Amino acid sequence: KNQVEQSPQSLIILEGKNCTLQCNYTVSPFSNLRWYKQDTGRGPVSLTIMTFSENTKSNGRYTATLDADTKQSSLHITASQLSDSASYICVVSSGGSYIPTFGRGTSLIVHP
Amino acid sequence: SQTIHQWPATLVQPVGSPLSLECTVEGTSNPNLYWYRQAAGRGLQLLFYSVGIGQISSEVPQNLSASRPQDRQFILSSKKLLLSDSGFYLCAWSVPGGLDTQYFGPGTRLTVL
Repeated sequence: KNQVEQSPQSLIILEGKNCTLQCNYTVSPFSNLRWYKQDTGRGPVSLTIMTFSENTKSNGRYTATLDADTKQSSLHITASQLSDSASYICVVSSGGSYIPTFGRGTSLIVHP
Repeated sequence: SQTIHQWPATLVQPVGSPLSLECTVEGTSNPNLYWYRQAAGRGLQLLFYSVGIGQISSEVPQNLSASRPQDRQFILSSKKLLLSDSGFYLCAWSVPGGLDTQYFGPGTRLTVL
């Protein structure tokens, strides 16, 4: 069964600090992995997408890494801002399937 | 550029009443379309997806149904709402044959009382 596990479930950090969110998956065959940011009461917005051959992808202060051998990904946020407070969702797609597998998300709160 | 619309933004309905949520996509043709539900504090649950007009696949048994009467229109319906139908409903689209990044609409907050 395809699964995506994210940790931690929630995280509280101070503004300006860095943080790293984790994603482990068992999706097979692997096609791509995406990180989404979902603000409260809004739809998720794509941050990064990585295929099998990519092991890092940046989008501003967001940097995602992928280790396809260990089936792990991380999302690193640098110099956090109050606007980073949101849920971050890891999504993994399997080759040939229309249906991606979603993680439950990590809720990040950035305090001033 | 492509845009996705959902309405209404919020909805409060009594138990047993009907439901109709609409989603439309602009700026693309023959998109894959999806309906998700997100319960409070939970992850996204795929309800339906469609790869073409009139083609609907259901992922979970429930009292909801979906229809795609036009290429870029996706409708979520129910004849009689249950309390458990409360949640945040999201429509999404993706490009067929691409890396299938899904682009989400703004969502509809449904409360069934």
